[in-house]
Amino acid sequence: AQSVTQLGSHVSVSEGALVLLRCNYSSSVPPYLFWYVQYPNQGLQLLLKYTSAATLVKGINGFEAEFKKSETSFHLTKPSAHMSDAAEYFCAVSEPNAGNMLTFGGGTRLMVKP
Amino acid sequence: DAGVIQSPRHEVTEMGQEVTLRCKPISGHDYLFWYRQTMMRGLELLIYFNNNVPIDDSGMPEDRFSAKMPNASFSTLKIQPSEPRDSAVYFCASSLGRGSVNQPQHFGDGTRLSIL
Repeated sequence: AQSVTQLGSHVSVSEGALVLLRCNYSSSVPPYLFWYVQYPNQGLQLLLKYTSAATLVKGINGFEAEFKKSETSFHLTKPSAHMSDAAEYFCAVSEPNAGNMLTFGGGTRLMVKP
Repeated sequence: DAGVIQSPRHEVTEMGQEVTLRCKPISGHDYLFWYRQTMMRGLELLIYFNNNVPIDDSGMPEDRFSAKMPNASFSTLKIQPSEPRDSAVYFCASSLGRGSVNQPQHFGDGTRLSIL
């Protein structure tokens, strides 16, 4: 069975600082990995996805994530935080032939201080 | 292009009443998912459909919950009778599976349900 662990339910950074949101997964086969963002009173929006084409994946709004098989990690980063990045971020994993089902992590709420 | 459309956006009703949540997936998508989000339990998958057929309903909390997908462009999630602990945000998502490999899910804006 697959699972996703997001370390830190809350992360606070200053505007302009590096954003690092951690995600570790467990899967019996090479997985597909996703990061979603949820702004208040909205649904989840896709930030980026890893589907084995390249280990470093670039997404929208300046975010990127690196797949590290040896560490079973898929951490999300952004070099410089903006106030508008304040939101909840979810890491999700899907296994091949799993019917597009996603297993979500518990989410990390990112707060950006001025 | 229109995304996943859910209605109503907000629903407030009294305990014991029947509640029906509605979802229109993105045209052409063949997978549809219903989720529930609460502070305590986070995001939970309730049920999902492929080509209008329920595939996995193991996340449905109890018999009070039921979901249908009568055609490719419409799905409902019904709670009867409703209870205060059903209060949550319910999301519908759809994705393309046919001929594609693990396409992302696209989410609606959710229905915020409050049972008094």
